[in-house]
Amino acid sequence: QLQLQESGPGLVKASETLSLTCAVSGGSVSSSTYYWGWVRQPPGKGLEWIGSIYYTGSTYYNPSLKSRITISVDTSKSQLSLKLGSVTAADTALYYCSRQIYESRQVPYYFDYWGLGTLVTVSS
Amino acid sequence: DIVMSQSPDSLAVSLGERATINCKSSQSVLYSSNNKNYLTWYQQKPGQPPKLLIYWASTRESGVPDRFSGSGSGTDFTLTISSLQAEDVAVYYCQQYYTTPYTFGQGTKLEIK
Repeated sequence: QLQLQESGPGLVKASETLSLTCAVSGGSVSSSTYYWGWVRQPPGKGLEWIGSIYYTGSTYYNPSLKSRITISVDTSKSQLSLKLGSVTAADTALYYCSRQIYESRQVPYYFDYWGLGTLVTVSS
Repeated sequence: DIVMSQSPDSLAVSLGERATINCKSSQSVLYSSNNKNYLTWYQQKPGQPPKLLIYWASTRESGVPDRFSGSGSGTDFTLTISSLQAEDVAVYYCQQYYTTPYTFGQGTKLEIK
């Protein structure tokens, strides 16, 4: 059974960099049929896609966040990483790691597995 | 960006009755080369991550009860719960994966009347 486990500091100071990791178990992060994505959800609000990465390192980023984010993958550790710079209170959210269905030469499809999420609060 | 708009924002339905949630995209998410609608539905219960219910607008994910069904094409889509159960209380989101950035509807909160 696939498990996605997000982790990272629950509190980040404004203007600093938020760093999260997602440990993937029960499945291979190097599979050719999946991308791996990050999605966030501010408390009591809706879902926002942050970005997605393939095991080769190929990425798609949300243009609204692109200047501040870096998503990477470490296949040897079977984990993903998200870095979001220059954070503000607007970045306070529950951050989810997710698996995304992929077919070669296509844009990745829907998210079929989600981690439980990790709450990050930005303090001033 | 493709804007996804759901209606209503909230909905109260009696147990055993039908619940219908609508989702409209600002542009078509039907890919003409394969005639597939790049639209999915998720269910999110309190304190839980979203759960995939429907993909390709109408394909039910494995293990999802058959009272859940998706329909529609192009820009207008519907999620229907044929006979509401207590465990269906949740927020439901549609999402397009036709193009990046992937975008979600604002969510529809479903409650028991």
